Amino acid sequence: QQQVKQSPQSLIVQKGGISIINCAYENTAFDYFPWYQQFPGKGPALLIAIRPDVSEKKEGRFTISFNKSAKQFSLHIMDSQPGDSATYFCAARSNSGYALNFGKGTSLLVTP
Amino acid sequence: EAGVVQSPRYKIIEKKQPVAFWCNPISGHNTLYWYLQNLGQGPELLIRYENEEAVDDSQLPKDRFSAERLKGVDSTLKIQPAELGDSAVYLCASSSGGGNTIYFGEGSWLTVV
Repeated sequence: QQQVKQSPQSLIVQKGGISIINCAYENTAFDYFPWYQQFPGKGPALLIAIRPDVSEKKEGRFTISFNKSAKQFSLHIMDSQPGDSATYFCAARSNSGYALNFGKGTSLLVTP
Repeated sequence: EAGVVQSPRYKIIEKKQPVAFWCNPISGHNTLYWYLQNLGQGPELLIRYENEEAVDDSQLPKDRFSAERLKGVDSTLKIQPAELGDSAVYLCASSSGGGNTIYFGEGSWLTVV
């Protein structure tokens, strides 16, 4: 049972555009929501993370928006670059657990 | 600082053969995880260790999979016998405790033929 639902499955954005990836969850015990970036042949690497006490977190061109009442969160990549082309995974972890529950991933392609 | 190190990076074996993967976590990280990543999917937890104790192995198929973390540092994940459906990436990860960032290794890519 997928505890975190992610969309879209794939995304093509032109260089300079905004990439938006959405995730939704049901478990209200989740209290930590990271996004991981994975390049082909590499392991996932933490990109940015948020806790539900804030509605937005920004780090450079990457922003997480969090809607606690809707149980949704999203990743926005501003000024997308070809080097951002990768697979992005949202994840969630409960306050009583240690392991991450991942979404199925979004394959992002940024065209020149 | 060295990251999570895994070996081998790639392994091709025939079905019914055994295979083992090794992981060296980031120094000082007492929590170690093994995740399974199927093609086009997100990682799924197989087992979590706190020091040398397996505290969550509910998703580990114990009929053919086993894991150990001797001395609370390095860990080994074994599959015996391997099946065609085991073809996947086996990711090791570590963290310095609950609530902290989980760091992943580059994975061990298994192909069972």
